[in-house]
Amino acid sequence: DAGVIQSPRHEVTEMGQEVTLRCKPISGHNSLFWYRQTMMRGLELLIYFNNNVPIDDSGMPEDRFSAKMPNASFSTLKIQPSEPRDSAVYFCASSPYVGPGTEAFFGQGTRLTVV
Amino acid sequence: QKEVEQNSGPLSVPEGAIASLNCTYSDRGSQSFFWYRQYSGKSPELIMFIYSNGDKEDGRFTAQLNKASQYVSLLIRDSQPSDSATYLCAVKGGGADGLTFGKGTHLIIQP
Repeated sequence: DAGVIQSPRHEVTEMGQEVTLRCKPISGHNSLFWYRQTMMRGLELLIYFNNNVPIDDSGMPEDRFSAKMPNASFSTLKIQPSEPRDSAVYFCASSPYVGPGTEAFFGQGTRLTVV
Repeated sequence: QKEVEQNSGPLSVPEGAIASLNCTYSDRGSQSFFWYRQYSGKSPELIMFIYSNGDKEDGRFTAQLNKASQYVSLLIRDSQPSDSATYLCAVKGGGADGLTFGKGTHLIIQP
């Protein structure tokens, strides 16, 4: 299996522009997570889906952030409009099942820089 | 709100010694506990998980859980320079919860 695939790996954009991050989870996994990592705040859970349905988006920082999972093999995280404080590494992760000991498998991340 | 606390380090340990990493968590409803390793510029990768009180061993790694004290630890025996990384503690509730991570401990193994 190729693992969780994220694109792009790096994104540099100007403040005010729309940014879309993409994720393909591991085939057969039914939970998908979006995380953001910064030096100051560490790894923060933004939103997660189970069977393509958003379960908890309480970690989404504000209305500028939105996430979708139109099918089991694709998810997007959109920031509109982007701001310099959104600069971070965004990770997508997926899990094969729900229950104790369920680990999350991480993609390689997207490093976002907003200038 | 769930909180996971770790000493940020850096923790410096001589090669061949035992490295001890610690983590506390706030939510008594947490059911599963994970240790991830993250090399600089890379994504987190799972080392091991534990969900019963006591010790769990996997090769050079031992995870320890004390739910009464809300405390999780990771011991690395015979530390190697390749163990130098940031170690992230994560906790999970029941059901479809996502993982809540600590900020990580930066471990340096000195040759």
